[in-house]
Amino acid sequence: NAGVTQTPKFRILKIGQSMTLQCAQDMNHNYMYWYRQDPGMGLKLIYYSVGAGITDKGEVPNGYNVSRSTTEDFPLRLELAAPSQTSVYFCASTNYNEQFFGPGTRLTVL
Amino acid sequence: GQQVMQIPQYQHVQEGEDFTTYCNSSTTLSNIQWYKQRPGGHPVFLIQLVKSGEVKKQKRLTFQFGEAKKNSSLHITATQTTDVGTYFCATFTGGGNKLTFGTGTQLKVEL
Repeated sequence: NAGVTQTPKFRILKIGQSMTLQCAQDMNHNYMYWYRQDPGMGLKLIYYSVGAGITDKGEVPNGYNVSRSTTEDFPLRLELAAPSQTSVYFCASTNYNEQFFGPGTRLTVL
Repeated sequence: GQQVMQIPQYQHVQEGEDFTTYCNSSTTLSNIQWYKQRPGGHPVFLIQLVKSGEVKKQKRLTFQFGEAKKNSSLHITATQTTDVGTYFCATFTGGGNKLTFGTGTQLKVEL
């Protein structure tokens, strides 16, 4: 099993550009999450999903959108990128207890 | 929503010294999970505690959940350079198995 995979690993965006961060898991987990981690800080929940077709906002959803068309995939869309969205983005999945994290996407908005 | 505070924010120790990080909440927690994040890496699950007063050990790591389920600690005996990283506590918040993470304790181990 590959676990949770994320692409790209790194990306630099210009202000106002858009992009999609990809996340996939092969563990047949129902629950998936997107977090952002600013330097020296903890993880903040952006969006989450409890199953295909169901998504909900987390603590810091503004400026982001998600979709969950399959159990495996949970992409995160950034529209009109802003410098405040410079961060490391982690995707995670679980079926009950421990969350399994992907390797992260390091995004810089200039 | 649920908030958990972690102290200290940073800790530098000499290799072989012990280390403890604390996680505190003003409300009763349903559970506590601990994660370790190596520099440049992603969080990795260490353990979950659910019972009042629970103590679990993993080799040199000892995890405790307070009797009132409002605090938890992670103690590392005789630190090694492989223990370097940031340790986060986390707790379930609302539905969807959502976790609220503490602010983390960054551990540096010097030879």
